[in-house]
This record gives sequence, C-alpha cells and structure tokens, in this order.
Amino acid sequence: GEDVEQSLFLSVREGDSSVINCTYTDSSSTYLYWYKQEPGAGLQLLTYIFSNMDMKQDQRLTVLLNKKDKHLSLRIADTQTGDSAIYFCADYNTDKLIFGTGTRLQVFP
Amino acid sequence: NAGVMQNPRHLVRRRGQEARLRCSPMKGHSHVYWYRQLPEEGLKFMVYLQKENIIDESGMPKERFSAEFPKEGPSILRIQQVVRGDSAAYFCASSSNRDTRRLGHMNTEAFFGQGTRLTVV
Repeated sequence: GEDVEQSLFLSVREGDSSVINCTYTDSSSTYLYWYKQEPGAGLQLLTYIFSNMDMKQDQRLTVLLNKKDKHLSLRIADTQTGDSAIYFCADYNTDKLIFGTGTRLQVFP
Repeated sequence: NAGVMQNPRHLVRRRGQEARLRCSPMKGHSHVYWYRQLPEEGLKFMVYLQKENIIDESGMPKERFSAEFPKEGPSILRIQQVVRGDSAAYFCASSSNRDTRRLGHMNTEAFFGQGTRLTVV
C-alpha cells in the first residue's frame, strides 16, 4: 500500500526556521497536505500543494515538493512557541488521505 | 456553519462492552471518513462512507468494527466487545466531493472533528 514517512521529532529555538520533511511512495499523488495537531485537539489544515507545483508560500509557511524524489517539506519561518505541535503530512490517494506518523515540533525560548 | 461534530469527546468502556462513536459532518457534506490515532502514532484510515453506502473499508478490522452513515442522522462507528488495544483517538472527517482531479482542491478539503478519545479499562 501507499506509505508516507516523517521523522518523529524536531526541536528549534524561537525565532529560527523549522523544516519538517516527509517522503511518500504514491507516484500518482495529486495533492499533498500539511496538517497541524495541537495537544488534545483535532487536525487543522495548514496548507497544501498540487503535484504540478514545486513550491508554495503562504505567509510564514513554505512548502517544497520534489516530485522526482517524492519528497515534501514544510518550512516555518520565525518559529514561535505557539507553533509547538505535531505536524502531519498527508497524501491524497484515490479517495482518502494517507497520513505520515507526524513530526513533533518543540520550540524552546 | 458548525464544523464536524463528534461525540462524545471522551468515552470510557470496560473490556467486552460496546462503544458507539458519532460524527455529524459539516452542513452540505455527504462524505465521511473515520481515522484512528493510536498513542504516539499517526492517523490510520479506517473507512470512507457516503450516505447509506460504504465506499472503502480497507482500513477496518475484520471483526468487531462496523460503520454506517444513514440517510438521516450522524455517522456511527461501532466497536463491539472492546479490548484494551482499541484505546485510541478516533477522528472523523467530512468533505463535500470526492473527485479532486475534476473539481479542484477546495471543494474536497476534508475537515476534521475534534475526535473521540476511547479508553478501555
């Protein structure tokens, strides 16, 4: 089946940039997503990228897609303590979202 | 427009009891998805339903689990004879249309509920 992988943890200092990486196996992906999950909460869609794009920028968020390597990244500029959460990348496959295991981002002062 | 509503938020069941989780999709959404999140893990797809139909249940355990989305009322995820390993957060998502390729992304964004946290004691 299709698979989406992420590193489990990332720790950054407040004000620095965070880069969260994701790899996927589905060669026919159309959309790839980044979701944020705060403790005890559901998932909030942060941003997405269509598979024919290389980059998408949305305020502090930049998504880079390397379709050849099936690699997706999310860069958060000027990371704040409020950005501490679990970040999931997801691949839209046929009729459902396939999620990675999530990357827990910890921001320290 | 209320978001996806799940209830209860927290559910405690003894081993062997039944758990019923409810999900009311966003207004106008006819597609419902159930996901399970085990502690410290990502979300695993369980089942995709449209009104009165199960479209994809490839992620559902073969026994004890069932799901429905009746013509009227919320979608129900039912777990019979619960075991400790069923303890997890169960998330429901809804969307308005299935085919992103034809209609574009924003028509098919899946909105997630807050989840039901099931604890089996």
